[in-house]
Amino acid sequence: AQRVTQPEKLLSVFKGAPVELKCNYSYSGSPELFWYVQYSRQRLQLLLRHISRESIKGFTADLNKGETSFHLKKPFAQEEDSAMYYCALLYGNNRLAFGKGNQVVVIP
Amino acid sequence: DAGITQSPRHKVTETGTPVTLRCHQTENHRYMYWYRQDPGHGLRLIHYSYGVKDTDKGEVSDGYSVSRSKTEDFLLTLESATSSQTSVYFCAISESRAGATNEKLFFGSGTQLSVL
Repeated sequence: AQRVTQPEKLLSVFKGAPVELKCNYSYSGSPELFWYVQYSRQRLQLLLRHISRESIKGFTADLNKGETSFHLKKPFAQEEDSAMYYCALLYGNNRLAFGKGNQVVVIP
Repeated sequence: DAGITQSPRHKVTETGTPVTLRCHQTENHRYMYWYRQDPGHGLRLIHYSYGVKDTDKGEVSDGYSVSRSKTEDFLLTLESATSSQTSVYFCAISESRAGATNEKLFFGSGTQLSVL
């Protein structure tokens, strides 16, 4: 069965410090992975997807099939990065499995 | 924001009563989903639909049923609400494959349900 694991619940970082959110997955098929973000009082929205190999708002994530990981990174955290972050895996008939989420708090 | 409306936004009900949550979209997207969000559990898929009258179970479907009689509406029903169903419920839509290059899930604002 598919599974997405995000080990830390709460991550506090100082503004300007690097931030890394860990995501590991378990899936028998070819993985397609995403990061979704939920800012305060806003809807959950797509941040980035591995297939696009893009950088959004300074965040990047690289799919490592050997380590079954898709960690999210940003070299210099900003206050507006404070949010809830979810890693997600596409499986089956167009379904997404989400991890438990990481609450990121950026301290000014 | 994509045209997704969830109703009601908030509801308080008693154990044992039936509850129906509605998700309405104006995007004509094929796929619709119901998730619940709980602390420590993240988002978990309840049911989803891949077309009118085509639905399937997610990972936490027990105690829930759904119906999709037309493209724009996806209803989630709790036949007999229990306290364990107190949660925030999110509807999401997708036009085609959620993993396709230009495809993604669009989420509604959520429904806060409290079962007393």
